Amino acid sequence: DGGITQSPKYLFRKEGQNVTLSCEQNLNHDAMYWYRQDPGQGLRLIYYSQIVNDFQKGDIAEGYSVSREKKESFPLTVTSAQKNPTAFYLCASSIGPLAGPAGELFFGEGSRLTVL
Amino acid sequence: AQTVTQSQPEMSVQEAETVTLSCTYDTSESDYYLFWYKQPPSRQMILVIRQEAYKQQNATENRFSVNFQKAAKSFSLKISDSQLGDAAMYFCAYRGDDKIIFGKGTRLHILP
Repeated sequence: DGGITQSPKYLFRKEGQNVTLSCEQNLNHDAMYWYRQDPGQGLRLIYYSQIVNDFQKGDIAEGYSVSREKKESFPLTVTSAQKNPTAFYLCASSIGPLAGPAGELFFGEGSRLTVL
Repeated sequence: AQTVTQSQPEMSVQEAETVTLSCTYDTSESDYYLFWYKQPPSRQMILVIRQEAYKQQNATENRFSVNFQKAAKSFSLKISDSQLGDAAMYFCAYRGDDKIIFGKGTRLHILP
């Protein structure tokens, strides 16, 4: 079955440590996205990538980094520079969007990061 | 910059009744998509319905329908014959040329 796989589902981190959240898709989608979800804040865009080896900052990119070396993979690193990293992180992909809007987002099941 | 506003943080509806969730957005683009996503307690985001801005006809998916008013930049979701399984967070989303923006969500409670 095609879909998006995020791992791990739950992750605990000590302050000062970097952690990497994995996101893999087998939908052959060009675009991939990382969102952060906090209570009462909805989904906020961290980074997105429209094509391999290219990505753009979203609204809250500070303290995060990404890479897009393969079409299927878009890992997110939460660095020690992120002051409040405890949150629920969602990865998504879509067919588009190099030329105009197209297609809905398909989401993974999310990763819950807790900083101890 | 585009924005999406959901003015109702929480709503409740009696089972089998109809409820409407509001969403407004702001954009200068003429070509875009609008979506409603549902997030149940499992936190898996599920697409409920989508609307292309160039289509005047309102989208419908079974018990879910939208009222799309392009000039007013309004995109409300109507749920008919509400069921217990409809209880969830509902997010309105706007997709323009490069990214998708979400509202802060409306938590819907279904009263038995």
